[in-house]
Amino acid sequence: DADVTQTPRNRITKTGKRIMLECSQTKGHDRMYWYRQDPGLGLRLIYYSFDVKDINKGEISDGYSVSRQAQAKFSLSLESAIPNQTALYFCATSASSWDTQYFGPGTRLTVL
Amino acid sequence: RKEVEQDPGPFNVPEGATVAFNCTYSNSASQSFFWYRQDCRKEPKLLMSVYSSGNEDGRFTAQLNRASQYISLLIRDSKLSDSATYLCVVNDGNFNKFYFGSGTKLNVKP
Repeated sequence: DADVTQTPRNRITKTGKRIMLECSQTKGHDRMYWYRQDPGLGLRLIYYSFDVKDINKGEISDGYSVSRQAQAKFSLSLESAIPNQTALYFCATSASSWDTQYFGPGTRLTVL
Repeated sequence: RKEVEQDPGPFNVPEGATVAFNCTYSNSASQSFFWYRQDCRKEPKLLMSVYSSGNEDGRFTAQLNRASQYISLLIRDSKLSDSATYLCVVNDGNFNKFYFGSGTKLNVKP
């Protein structure tokens, strides 16, 4: 089984809908991250969490919220989706900022 | 100014060629450096960490130049399977988060 899983893998939704993307990991890492990737822009950090009680905004947190339900689970919500949130979303984990990040397979989100 | 900058390419090279990519970073306090590989529509995967003394892993060599604030990746004897986008990743110096370059695309041709 994969160490980092994301659900759903693909989602098409309409403007104004609430969407939740879920991430689970079995690596036992405290640190978890949510990124979005747009063509030509690389990965940009949305939110990151160092443990269940420590959640921090990244570069582009506006329009997003997160929940760290447990060490292994980190969810990203779009309260009212808009078309420019159409992107590939990745969840990642790491043991520390010295260590590599392990990525989930990504969620491809399309907002019409 | 972007935290991490890379030439987007594409670099089109024949099999067997040697190719090099550079990546510049803006935060002199950065302490951790990585190269990741990303195949089309897939998740990034660690290729190698970059150490101050430089490091080599088979056909891949990574170097760090702190004075000029860049890291490099050298690929020798390119294979068709090396075709991918290579992402440069740098931490923020406070060990809180990572910054990703937008990637350099490599196409290895037969």
